[in-house]
Amino acid sequence: GQQLNQSPQSMFIQEGEDVSMNCTSSSIFNTWLWYKQDPGEGPVLLIALYKAGELTSNGRLTAQFGITRKDSFLNISASIPSDVGIYFCAGSRGNKLVFGAGTILRVKS
Amino acid sequence: GAGVSQSPSNKVTEKGKDVELRCDPISGHTALYWYRQSLGQGLEFLIYFQGNSAPDKSGLPSDRFSAERTGGSVSTLTIQRTQQEDSAVYLCASSLVADRPETQYFGPGTRLLVL
Repeated sequence: GQQLNQSPQSMFIQEGEDVSMNCTSSSIFNTWLWYKQDPGEGPVLLIALYKAGELTSNGRLTAQFGITRKDSFLNISASIPSDVGIYFCAGSRGNKLVFGAGTILRVKS
Repeated sequence: GAGVSQSPSNKVTEKGKDVELRCDPISGHTALYWYRQSLGQGLEFLIYFQGNSAPDKSGLPSDRFSAERTGGSVSTLTIQRTQQEDSAVYLCASSLVADRPETQYFGPGTRLLVL
């Protein structure tokens, strides 16, 4: 079963609003990752976090790796229609990735 | 090729039939991974290959599932005697090396429907 708890399960927001989603785990991960999946496609890596407490930005995206290595959040600023999709958090342990169940983002124009 | 490709893109089969799903990784990538994504769920690890060998098969849900990789390139995932609960999207990913899973590139997946 899933070892990462991701919330919220879905969001429906106005274009231009900021979005925040998070992920928690009972286990420590070496690396924390955020992916976006568009319909009919595989997930695409958005941000990778390697150090506890690390804050990383990629354009309008900002993500932070929790101090305990057991949680992370992703913020999207000034959302636009193309931000729709499913956002997954994932933790790496050895050679494997463990994924959360995803946050479905819908944006109203 | 430019990216990871998978075939078929969609597969509908009858319960009890066997299916083969194919993955063509990015050229030169030594590590290859298979995941299963059920409706409304995240990706579930199935198996990974380093070259032609599979050091970790721990995610395969039953002995009806098997996978092989030949020539360090193409991989096939075989599901025997399919069941309705096998319906899912099966995703393949590849990376240059196995100890950097965050460098995986994903294919578009094969959508399997078992009737």
